[in-house]
Amino acid sequence: DAGVTQSPTHLIKTRGQQVTLRCSPKSGHDTVSWYQQALGQGPQFIFQYYEEEERQRGNFPDRFSGHQFPNYSSELNVNALLLGDSALYLCASSFLLLGGRKGNEQFFGPGTRLTVL
Amino acid sequence: GQQLNQSPQSMFIQEGEDVSMNCTSSSIFNTWLWYKQDPGEGPVLLIALYKAGELTSNGRLTAQFGITRKDSFLNISASIPSDVGIYFCAGSGGTSYGKLTFGQGTILTVHP
Repeated sequence: DAGVTQSPTHLIKTRGQQVTLRCSPKSGHDTVSWYQQALGQGPQFIFQYYEEEERQRGNFPDRFSGHQFPNYSSELNVNALLLGDSALYLCASSFLLLGGRKGNEQFFGPGTRLTVL
Repeated sequence: GQQLNQSPQSMFIQEGEDVSMNCTSSSIFNTWLWYKQDPGEGPVLLIALYKAGELTSNGRLTAQFGITRKDSFLNISASIPSDVGIYFCAGSGGTSYGKLTFGQGTILTVHP
């Protein structure tokens, strides 16, 4: 049973550039959430995708956007990169249709380490 | 917005000792989750709690959903070296199956 996978593992960009991160959810899951984890901090919620639409969004600027594909995989795009965008970006998947509060059980991928110079 | 305060920030213990850590929130949560994160990895789900007062175990780990719905506790019994890592609490509120709010983490070091 494949878990959540993310690519690439590491990425180095310069200020002002754009980046796309990719995520494949755990087999059987239909919902993907993205989180940003700065060094020494807990993950911060960016947004969540279900049925190819953004369902919820955290306190992140419009420079952060996403997409979910029919096969439930997802992309996170960040435009006009800032030094402060350097972080570990985590993708988590869950099964919304499981119903009840178990839909809150999110399973994380290994993350993409983004460094902005 | 919702804030989670997790304590202690770090713990240094001897192998075989028991460990306790807790998390408090300024708001009510309907679900509490506990995760462990190793260096360079994503968080791994340890225990999920759904009901106020609920006590759930997973091997040597036991977690409780506080009665007020604003706190949760995680205990690890008879610690072993592989328990080393960062432990995070996370809460989800209301009926929104989405946003998890995380604590700052507890760094656990186990000396053999």
